Amino acid sequence: ETGVTQSPTHLIKTRGQQVTLRCSSQSGHNTVSWYQQALGQGPQFIFQYYREEENGRGNFPPRFSGLQFPNYSSELNVNALELDDSALYLCASSGTGTDTQYFGPGTRLTVL
Amino acid sequence: DQQVKQNSPSLSVQEGRISILNCDYTNSMFDYFLWYKKYPAEGPTFLISISSIKDKNEDGRFTVFLNKSAKHLSLHIVPSQPGDSAVYFCAARSLYNNNDMRFGAGTRLTVKP
Repeated sequence: ETGVTQSPTHLIKTRGQQVTLRCSSQSGHNTVSWYQQALGQGPQFIFQYYREEENGRGNFPPRFSGLQFPNYSSELNVNALELDDSALYLCASSGTGTDTQYFGPGTRLTVL
Repeated sequence: DQQVKQNSPSLSVQEGRISILNCDYTNSMFDYFLWYKKYPAEGPTFLISISSIKDKNEDGRFTVFLNKSAKHLSLHIVPSQPGDSAVYFCAARSLYNNNDMRFGAGTRLTVKP
């Protein structure tokens, strides 16, 4: 059984650029949630995808968008990057929205 | 709005002793609580959970206690082992908004041999 994987591991972008982060969910899971973890803080919920549809969203602006594919992998897109977007981005998959979430190792994004 | 708070950024205990990690929440709609453990360069790993209909849940060396009236939960690790050294996150969610899980800022536990 393959766990949750994320790519890339690290990424450096400049302010105003766009970025795409990728997540492969654990086998058998159809729900993917994305979180932003700033330094010294806990993960903050960005949004969740269930069967290719957005299924809830946290307090993040529209420049944070996502996709889920038929194989349940997912992308997080961030447009017009700001310095405060620098963080660890975590993806978590679960069997349904209420099941225990299993996290990937994260992508460390640095915006200069 | 920080609805889940872990007021101790760090905790250090001796191997074999009890570790107690605390968590407070403000949203009375939360009805399901979880603890995650995070090692460096890894994602958080689910440890134990508790529903609001219970006040205690035990799994091996780990026990979570929930005090609904005080909006407080705690994680007890007995006996503590050096491999337990990690950052521990408390998380909560509600039945009505169950995809929005709120996390505390974490407590770094160090277990000394």
